Amino acid sequence: DAKTTQPTSMDCAEGRAANLPCNHSTISGNEYVYWYRQIHSQGPQYIIHGLKNNETNEMASLIITEDRKSSTLILPHATLRDTAVYYCIVRVRDDKIIFGKGTRLHILP
Amino acid sequence: KAGVTQTPRYLIKTRGQQVTLSCSPISGHRSVSWYQQTPGQGLQFLFEYFSETQRNKGNFPGRFSGRQFSNSRSEMNVSTLELGDSALYLCASSSGVAGGPRDEQFFGPGTRLTVL
Repeated sequence: DAKTTQPTSMDCAEGRAANLPCNHSTISGNEYVYWYRQIHSQGPQYIIHGLKNNETNEMASLIITEDRKSSTLILPHATLRDTAVYYCIVRVRDDKIIFGKGTRLHILP
Repeated sequence: KAGVTQTPRYLIKTRGQQVTLSCSPISGHRSVSWYQQTPGQGLQFLFEYFSETQRNKGNFPGRFSGRQFSNSRSEMNVSTLELGDSALYLCASSSGVAGGPRDEQFFGPGTRLTVL
């Protein structure tokens, strides 16, 4: 079973920051937080991952709370192309990926 | 660098038949994982191969099997197809090296299998 809890769906206005929350209260010390997204009819796409420090790349930022029990994925300037299902996953590196239901993000024009 | 390729992209089979799907990973990647995606169950992990050996396995019946070749290309086979096997089958490749700088998985476009 997935070890994460995410809202089923969220809306965000185009051009605004999209903040997607994820709860992972049972995360272990050696488990990383990964985010993937799946745009309709395509394979999932890696976004970002982190262990305990906040991370940023060209796509997004990942904010992990100090107790590591939750995290937030931030898309700084959402566009219509960011409409997708976003999956938050916790796993030991190189372990299998267990996908949950994810959050369906709708970007509104 | 070419991405993950899967063949065929679409497939129609009838119950009781068997099917073989193929996946070519990104050059240099040694790990290939397979997933099944259905509307009801979502994305489910099937198995992972690393250097021709199965490293991880999901909770699927023995009708689902796979293998990996020395060039890292992988195939998965489903025997005695059932209607419930209709799904999008996704393959993902990664370097497979723990602690490596980029161990994320890169997914292919999938093979859509329809069982009639």
